[in-house]
Order: sequence, then C-alpha cells, then structure tokens
Amino acid sequence: EDKVVQSPLSLVVHEGDTVTLNCSYEVTNFRSLLWYKQEKKAPTFLFMLTSSGIEKKSGRLSSILDKKELFSILNITATQTGDSAVYLCAVLGNAGNMLTFGGGTRLMVKP
Amino acid sequence: DAGVIQSPRHEVTEMGQEVTLRCKLISGHNSLFWYRQTMMRGLELLIYFNNNVPIDDSGMPEDRFSAKMPNASFSTLKIQPSEPRDSAVYFCASRPGGRSGELFFGEGSRLTVL
Repeated sequence: EDKVVQSPLSLVVHEGDTVTLNCSYEVTNFRSLLWYKQEKKAPTFLFMLTSSGIEKKSGRLSSILDKKELFSILNITATQTGDSAVYLCAVLGNAGNMLTFGGGTRLMVKP
Repeated sequence: DAGVIQSPRHEVTEMGQEVTLRCKLISGHNSLFWYRQTMMRGLELLIYFNNNVPIDDSGMPEDRFSAKMPNASFSTLKIQPSEPRDSAVYFCASRPGGRSGELFFGEGSRLTVL
C-alpha cells in the first residue's frame, strides 16, 4: 500500500521567517510527487516533481525531490500571512494511477 | 473554463436520510476522483473513474456508499442511509487524459449528518 507521511503536523511562524515542510513516501513504481496548498476550500496545485535533484520554483516557494531517499521538501521564504494554509503532499505510482495524499502540514504565519 | 463544479456546497441532514452529491468535470477531462476529507483521516480516495468506468472503489467505506458516472461529464456520490460518521467534506477532482499527476479539485461538499 502506498504511503505518504508529512512533517511537521503543524507549524507556527512569524512573517518573514523561512519554513521547510517535509514529505516522505513509499510507493510502488513512483511516477511523480505533487504539492498542493489548501486554504479554506479546495486544494490548489503548486508543483509536480518527477526528477531527482531538480528544484521547482515559483516566487517564494520552491521544492525539490530526492528519489533515492524517497522524500521531498517544500520551502517558503519570507513567509506572509497569506501563506497560512494546509500544505498537502501527494504521490502518484503506477498502481491504479491514483494520487495518495499525506496528512498535510498546517502552517500558520503570524503578523 | 468553469472548473470542477460540485453541489450542494453544504448539506445538513439527519441520520438515515439519503444524500446525493454531484460533480461536473472540466470539459475534456477523462478521469474523475471522489475524495473525502476529515480532520482525523485527511484526504482519502473513495473511488475513481477513467472514461466513465469505475477503476478502483476500494476506498468506498461500505455498501451504503455508491458512485455513478452516467456520462463523460457528470458523476454522483450517494450515501444511503447516512450516518453521523459520514460527516466530512467530499471533494470531486478531475484530470485530463495522458497527464501524470495534477488533479483539479472542486470546491467540495460539506456534509453534516446529525
């Protein structure tokens, strides 16, 4: 059974801080890893990573994948209150073509 | 593009009642996924369809849950009879054919069973 574990479960920081969110996985025939941001409603897509060691970047957010050690990190620099959300990591394996989600990291950024 | 559309957005019902949740896919997408989200268990996949055919329903909790996809753009998730432990946010998501990951989520249907 595919498994995704995220840490920490929750995090409280102040504006301007840098945070690192972790995602480790066990999946049959790994194809890709995705990060989503969920505020009050639906998860919204951030990144998809398929290759090890290549950083994906979008503004203050960046993510990298290590396929050897089976983990990914999501970095947010110069955090803002609008970054407060649950960040979800999901992996896609060959088995069933389904995304398996981790439990999420709840980030709160205080002014 | 209107995105994935779910209805109702909120439903409050009494134990034993039938609940039907609806989802309209993004035009051109051919895979549909129903997820349930709770604080305790996070996002759990219930069932997914590919080209209107149910591929994996191993996440459906029990026989009280059923899902259909009568055409390429529409799906329903039915709970009959509903129980308080079914209270959750139910998300529908779709994905274009040939893509290796990204799901497009609807806004969710928040169900409360009293």
